[in-house]
Amino acid sequence: SQQGEEDPQALSIQEGENATMNCSYKTSINNLQWYRQNSGRGLVHLILIRSNEREKHSGRLRVTLDTSKKSSSLLITASRAADTASYFCATDPGNTPLVFGKGTRLSVIA
Amino acid sequence: GAGVSQSPSNKVTEKGKDVELRCDPISGHTALYWYRQSLGQGLEFLIYFQGNSAPDKSGLPSDRFSAERTGGSVSTLTIQRTQQEDSAVYLCASSLRTSRAQYFGPGTRLLVL
Repeated sequence: SQQGEEDPQALSIQEGENATMNCSYKTSINNLQWYRQNSGRGLVHLILIRSNEREKHSGRLRVTLDTSKKSSSLLITASRAADTASYFCATDPGNTPLVFGKGTRLSVIA
Repeated sequence: GAGVSQSPSNKVTEKGKDVELRCDPISGHTALYWYRQSLGQGLEFLIYFQGNSAPDKSGLPSDRFSAERTGGSVSTLTIQRTQQEDSAVYLCASSLRTSRAQYFGPGTRLLVL
């Protein structure tokens, strides 16, 4: 069953704006990961945040995790047309495979 | 070294035929995963191998689907008597171990006519 649920399903913004995507999940986790997918092909791992971490940065990416609310957010600052892709959160329940959400389709308009 | 590779990139087959999809994981990765993704949808977990443990087959949609991993490396996903609803992109991923980041191959796009 799907654990991670991304919100919104689709997001369209202008280049230079910030994009925020949210992920909610249901059970306890070891970590939560965000992936990007271009053109329906392989996913690319972006960032992993552990359950005892609250915020993590990587370049223009900022991820937050609130385990009390069972939610995470991915912020992409100063977006570029090349950021256009689908973004998936994946939760790690521990000793079982990651559970992926259905993704957020981000369109960055130049 | 090289990333995860999959072959073929694209496969067109007729309904009722069998197909084999291949995945070469990153060397040294003990965990290997197969997913299926229909157009515009999320990832559907199919099967998972971890080291020498018995595979987790809980995601396989029917007994027409099977997978093996030889020598802890290359994996083959076999779909017997393909149906049109099997048309999708089949993605393979590997990771150092279960809880670590997964590295995906480019996928095999399967079209069943």
